[in-house]
Amino acid sequence: EAGVTQSPTHLIKTRGQQATLRCSPISGHTSVYWYQQALGLGLQFLLWYDEGEERNRGNFPPRFSGRQFPNYSSELNVNALELEDSALYLCASSQRTWNTGELFFGEGSRLTVL
Amino acid sequence: TQLLEQSPQFLSIQEGENLTVYCNSSSVFSSLQWYRQEPGEGPVLLVTVVTGGEVKKLKRLTFQFGDARKDSSLHITAAQPGDTGLYLCAGAPNYGQNFVFGPGTRLSVLP
Repeated sequence: EAGVTQSPTHLIKTRGQQATLRCSPISGHTSVYWYQQALGLGLQFLLWYDEGEERNRGNFPPRFSGRQFPNYSSELNVNALELEDSALYLCASSQRTWNTGELFFGEGSRLTVL
Repeated sequence: TQLLEQSPQFLSIQEGENLTVYCNSSSVFSSLQWYRQEPGEGPVLLVTVVTGGEVKKLKRLTFQFGDARKDSSLHITAAQPGDTGLYLCAGAPNYGQNFVFGPGTRLSVLP
C-alpha cells in the first residue's frame, strides 16, 4: 500500500512568487494535515482538511491557503513568498478517528525562497 | 493556544547509556503521541497514550502520561546509535481537534 506522497520534493522560488505543494493521502484516509518545519525546529500546524472542508487553521497569514479535492488529495498554496517561508512542508493523513488517530507523514517538500 | 515544551532540546550520549526526555504543558490533553523523525524523512508514530498515569513499553522505550494529562516522558534504556533522531511529542487538546507538536528533542547516540 502506498504511503503519503508529496510533490515536488524540492522547490526553489524567489521572493514574491507563489508556490504550490501537493499531497496524496493513504488510500482510505479522509483527513489531511499540513505542517511547516523550519530548519532545526519542530512542526508548526498550518491547516487541517477533512472530507473536503477546512477543519482548522494554524496561526499563519492568509497568504497560506489550501484545499482538499474530492479524491482527498490536497494542495497547499503560499502566495507572495517571503524568505522566512523557507522550510520543509510536511503533509500527513489519517483516518478520522478523532484524537487518537495516527498521523502518517510524507517525506515533505523542501521550499527554498531566495 | 495549547503549547508543548520539550526538554532537553539537545542530548548527546554514548551507546549503552539510559536517558529520559520530557514533554510538558500547562494545559490538559485528551491524548498525547510521541514521534521519531530521522533526517530526510517525515515523523513516524511511536506510541499514543490516552489515560492519565498510563505507562506503555515498546522494547527499550518506556512512555508515561502524567496523572493530570499535562505531561509525558520517554525513557530509553541502553541507547543504541539507531535511536538517533528528533523525538517529537504531540498533543490533542480535545476530541476533534488537531494535534499540536512540541519543538522536539534532538538525540544523538554515539557508538
